[in-house]
Amino acid sequence: EAGVTQFPSHSVIEKGQTVTLRCDPISGHDNLYWYRRVMGKEIKFLLHFVKESKQDESGMPNNRFLAERTGGTYSTLKVQPAELEDSGVYFCASSQGGGDEQFFGPGTRLTVL
Amino acid sequence: GEDVEQSLFLSVREGDSSVINCTYTDSSSTYLYWYKQEPGAGLQLLTYIFSNMDMKQDQRLTVLLNKKDKHLSLRIADTQTGDSAIYFCAEDTGRRALTFGSGTRLQVQP
Repeated sequence: EAGVTQFPSHSVIEKGQTVTLRCDPISGHDNLYWYRRVMGKEIKFLLHFVKESKQDESGMPNNRFLAERTGGTYSTLKVQPAELEDSGVYFCASSQGGGDEQFFGPGTRLTVL
Repeated sequence: GEDVEQSLFLSVREGDSSVINCTYTDSSSTYLYWYKQEPGAGLQLLTYIFSNMDMKQDQRLTVLLNKKDKHLSLRIADTQTGDSAIYFCAEDTGRRALTFGSGTRLQVQP
């Protein structure tokens, strides 16, 4: 069974540009999470989807970040316009039930110049 | 509040035991986890402990939980070079979102 996949693995963009990250969860997992690790610090929660609905978006830093999960399958996280402080590794995770083990993808390393 | 702290770096010799420590502040945590991240890979769940337990052993891994001091540790016995990675502790306070520490980089010297 395929694990959580993320695309791209790396992205280098200039300040002010737009970037869209994609996450494909494990098939059948209703719960999808986005996390971010900035500058070698702690991994911070961004938001949680249950199917196509946003269950908790309390970790989203500001309105430059937009997450979607149309159809309740894959999810995208768009950053527009990107700022220098958005650089980091963005992880996606999925779980079958809300309290079940979260399986993580390999992450997308975003560098904003 | 939610804040999980770990030391940044640990170096051990192959065959020795490694002990990675973590402190947390949210006493309502239900589960506490240890994740491992190898280079270029995602986070892999190593083990977890329920908050009403004080110890859990799983092969070479031993997790100790001191709920009074809000202290969690992971002991790896007979550390191997393949154990070199970043180790994150995380807590689940029931919100479903995990709160992570900053990670401890374990370097195993041959």
